[in-house]
Amino acid sequence: DVVMTQTPVSLSLAIGQPASISCKSSQSLLGTSGKTFLNWILQRPGQSPKRLIYQVSKLYSEVPDRFSGSGSETEFTLKISRVEAEDLGVYYCWQGTHFPQTFGGGTKLELK
Amino acid sequence: EVQLQESGPGLVKPSQSLSLTCSVTGYSITSNYWGWIRKFPGNKMEWMGYISYSGSTSYNPSLKSRISITRDTSKNQFFLQLNSVTTEDTATYYCARGYSGDYWGQGVMVTVSS
Repeated sequence: DVVMTQTPVSLSLAIGQPASISCKSSQSLLGTSGKTFLNWILQRPGQSPKRLIYQVSKLYSEVPDRFSGSGSETEFTLKISRVEAEDLGVYYCWQGTHFPQTFGGGTKLELK
Repeated sequence: EVQLQESGPGLVKPSQSLSLTCSVTGYSITSNYWGWIRKFPGNKMEWMGYISYSGSTSYNPSLKSRISITRDTSKNQFFLQLNSVTTEDTATYYCARGYSGDYWGQGVMVTVSS
């Protein structure tokens, strides 16, 4: 299985600070279709996971543009330009290129 | 609006079967892919499998022959059955739509305990 390694495990930031989360895969996530199936989801406390980004950098329509995704092959990054209170929770990267789909271990964003 | 809702028992005894239902509104399960994902205590997430728009299935090999995902298109529901459960199957179970999980249910916490 493809191993997804997220760092850091936790982040403590003040509102307005930038955030960056790294996700590294044990194999290239570039598929034979030419697409890279790397997703980001956020699980806020007491809630179910919510979609953020698909195919590395494509934001879902309701996601604020302070979020961005980048990367290729085996290294990916989720960035938040200015953290807001509603951004706290656990972020997961998730690959769908290789079978079976696998998740990163999660990054917990806490507010300082 | 697409909505998914899991239902099923919150407590299952070891060696028995876990059965969950995902009820979908706002979208037909005869389109797209529909999956089950679980989150273990301590944050680890595991993709369990999916059923496609045509009814074909794909399962995580880690679950071997214990898992079955089926559907009832007349009720717009799909189902998870996990056999021979152990305490290691204690988790919150989510149903979700699509390869990228664009919609998720609220989740149901299942404890395996005698």
